[in-house]
Amino acid sequence: EIVLTQSPTTLSLSPGERATLSCTASQSLTSYLAWYQQKPGQAPRLLIYDASKRATGIPARFSGSGSGTDFTLTISSLEPEDFAVYYCQQRNWPRTFGQGTKVEIK
Amino acid sequence: EVQLVESGGGLVQPGGSLRLSCVASGFMFNTYWMTWVRQAPGKGLEWLANINQDGSIYSHVDSVKGRFTISRDNAKNSLYLQMNSLRVEDTAVYYCATDVNGGYFDYWGQGTLVTVSS
Repeated sequence: EIVLTQSPTTLSLSPGERATLSCTASQSLTSYLAWYQQKPGQAPRLLIYDASKRATGIPARFSGSGSGTDFTLTISSLEPEDFAVYYCQQRNWPRTFGQGTKVEIK
Repeated sequence: EVQLVESGGGLVQPGGSLRLSCVASGFMFNTYWMTWVRQAPGKGLEWLANINQDGSIYSHVDSVKGRFTISRDNAKNSLYLQMNSLRVEDTAVYYCATDVNGGYFDYWGQGTLVTVSS
C-alpha cells in the first residue's frame, strides 16, 4: 500500500496570501495524483488530477505540480472560501489518501 | 445536474449488517466506474471499494474484504454497499462517488452516517 504524507498538518494564512501544500508518496506515482478540498459537513471536491490538471470548474488560482514522489498544491491568492482541509490521493490499488492539511485563517 | 444520493445509514450493533444505497441521476450511470469512500468522525478519507460499469469487475480494500460487498443495478441507476459483521471502527460517513480517469473521484454524494455501537 502506498502511503501519502502531507505537510504541514495545519497552515495558518491570511486571505490574499499564497498557500503551498506538500504531499510525499512512499513510492513513485509518476504523475497519478489528485488533490481534493473538503469543507466542514461537505463531501470532498476534486480540484486537481494527474498532478497538474484542473478539474472542471476549478479556479485558476489552484495549481498542482510534481511527479514521482513529491507533489505540491499551490493556491496563488487565498480567497475566504478556500479555508478548508485538503487531501491528496493516489490511484494505484488500493487507492489511498493523505492525512490532510488544514488551511486556516490566521 | 449530476446527483448522487446515499441512504441506508443508521445505528447498528456490533456484528450487525446494513446495506447502503446510492442513487444516481443527471449522467449515464452505466458508463461510469463507481466507488465507496468513508470518513470516520474527525478523521481522514478511506477508499473502500470500486466496481466497473457492468458490475463484472470489483475490488475491496483489505480492511473490509470478506465483510463488505459492492454491487450495482444499472436498471435502477443504483450502487450498493452490503456491510456485514460491522465493528465499532466502521463508524463513519460513507460516500459514493464516480471513479474516473483511472482512479480519481469526480462527483460525490452527500454521505450517509453509519454508527456502530451497542
